[in-house]
Amino acid sequence: IAGITQAPTSQILAAGRRMTLRCTQDMRHNAMYWYRQDLGLGLRLIHYSNTAGTTGKGEVPDGYSVSRANTDDFPLTLASAVPSQTSVYFCASSDSNRRQILYGYTFGSGTRLTVV
Amino acid sequence: ELKVEQNPLFLSMQEGKNYTIYCNYSTTSDRLYWYRQDPGKSLESLFVLLSNGAVKQEGRLMASLDTKARLSTLHITAAVHDLSATYFCAVVALDSNYQLIWGAGTKLIIKP
Repeated sequence: IAGITQAPTSQILAAGRRMTLRCTQDMRHNAMYWYRQDLGLGLRLIHYSNTAGTTGKGEVPDGYSVSRANTDDFPLTLASAVPSQTSVYFCASSDSNRRQILYGYTFGSGTRLTVV
Repeated sequence: ELKVEQNPLFLSMQEGKNYTIYCNYSTTSDRLYWYRQDPGKSLESLFVLLSNGAVKQEGRLMASLDTKARLSTLHITAAVHDLSATYFCAVVALDSNYQLIWGAGTKLIIKP
C-alpha cells in the first residue's frame, strides 16, 4: 500500500542522546515535511524539503537536522535530545503539481518521542 | 505572514445537534484543506476546497469556502459520537512552494 512509513512508532530517550527518526515514502512525492505536534499547539513545521538534495528550515528548527539524499527518505536527527523535544513527530509528503492541489499532504502514522 | 485561526478550539456537544467550526485566514489563498485526527492517530484528509464558493459534503460533514471573506466553515449536521475527533484546517501559502499553514485544531467531543 502506497504511503509513508515512520519508525520507530515510539521511543523513550535519555537526554543528551542522539536519535534519528526515519521517514520513507513510496509515492515519489518530491516534497517532504517534518512536524511536531504538542498539546494545544497544533502542528509546527520543523524542516522541509521541496526536492531531493534540498532542505529548508521551518518554524521550530533548533535542535533538529534533516537530510534528503534521495526522493524517498527524509530522516530527522536530534543531535542531543532535551526534554522539551518530547512530542509526537509526523512526517508528511506532497507533490508540487496538480496532484498535490487535489490531495494535499499525506501523513505518516507518527513517532511518539519521550525525552527523559 | 499567513495566519490561520480556527474557532472554537474546543467544542463539546450532544448527539443530534448541529454545529459549525470556523477557519479564518489572513491573506490570499486559493486552496483550503480540512483534516481529521483521531486520538493517538495520524491526520486524515477530509476535504479539499479549490475555489470560491466550493462546497463539499461527506455524510454529516459539509465544508465550504469563501475566498473573498477568507473563511471556511465545517458544518456538522445531527452529530454522532463517531465524529468525535480533532479537526484541522490548512491553507496553502501561495508564495511558499505549496506549504500548508495550519490552524491550531478544533477538538470536538460528541456526547451520546
